[in-house]
Amino acid sequence: DTGVSQNPRHKITKRGQNVTFRCDPISEHNRLYWYRQTLGQGPEFLTYFQNEAQLEKSRLLSDRFSAERPKGSFSTLEIQRTEQGDSAMYLCASSLMQGGEQPQHFGDGTRLSIL
Amino acid sequence: DAKTTQPNSMESNEEEPVHLPCNHSTISGTDYIHWYRQLPSQGPEYVIHGLTSNVNNRMASLAIAEDRKSSTLILHRATLRDAAVYYCILQNDFGNEKLTFGTGTRLTIIP
Repeated sequence: DTGVSQNPRHKITKRGQNVTFRCDPISEHNRLYWYRQTLGQGPEFLTYFQNEAQLEKSRLLSDRFSAERPKGSFSTLEIQRTEQGDSAMYLCASSLMQGGEQPQHFGDGTRLSIL
Repeated sequence: DAKTTQPNSMESNEEEPVHLPCNHSTISGTDYIHWYRQLPSQGPEYVIHGLTSNVNNRMASLAIAEDRKSSTLILHRATLRDAAVYYCILQNDFGNEKLTFGTGTRLTIIP
């Protein structure tokens, strides 16, 4: 178990630029989740995948955001035309299967700063 | 989503037990009680979960009230490395997949 890996750890970009983050889940986990966390708040759900299918998207996920999980392995989260309000920590998590007993395993996130 | 209520902050002395409370009065019969913690500059880390009975693992113990409307996370001997934000979350066996985090309890350990 090598854990959930996220890259990059930090990203600084100018407003209006596009950014892409990558998440590599624990290898046997078929569920993958994206969350966003702003300072002083708990993480907020953005979207999740079961294998390659994106099954739920939060209203927080505006049309500037897109997530993919090709082949049901790693996932990418892209933000187009970044805005100041996009500055946050973006967290990825994975879990083995459905059910209330299954914990989610989180990566250490990508911190995005918009100049 | 069923909601939980936790104190905003708590302090404890190093090497003493810590009891972190959580109220979840609207819990349903299929909701599991999960605890996660988040250390500075890290993602949340799973700590423990339970349904009805008390649970123990290498990190902590979870005491669940008989009516399941509250629970307590117990750290038996706090260390400085236990300083973190602790989140109590209900996760339904048949419902939403997402975790709904509140603001949690910020635990400070006093050396």
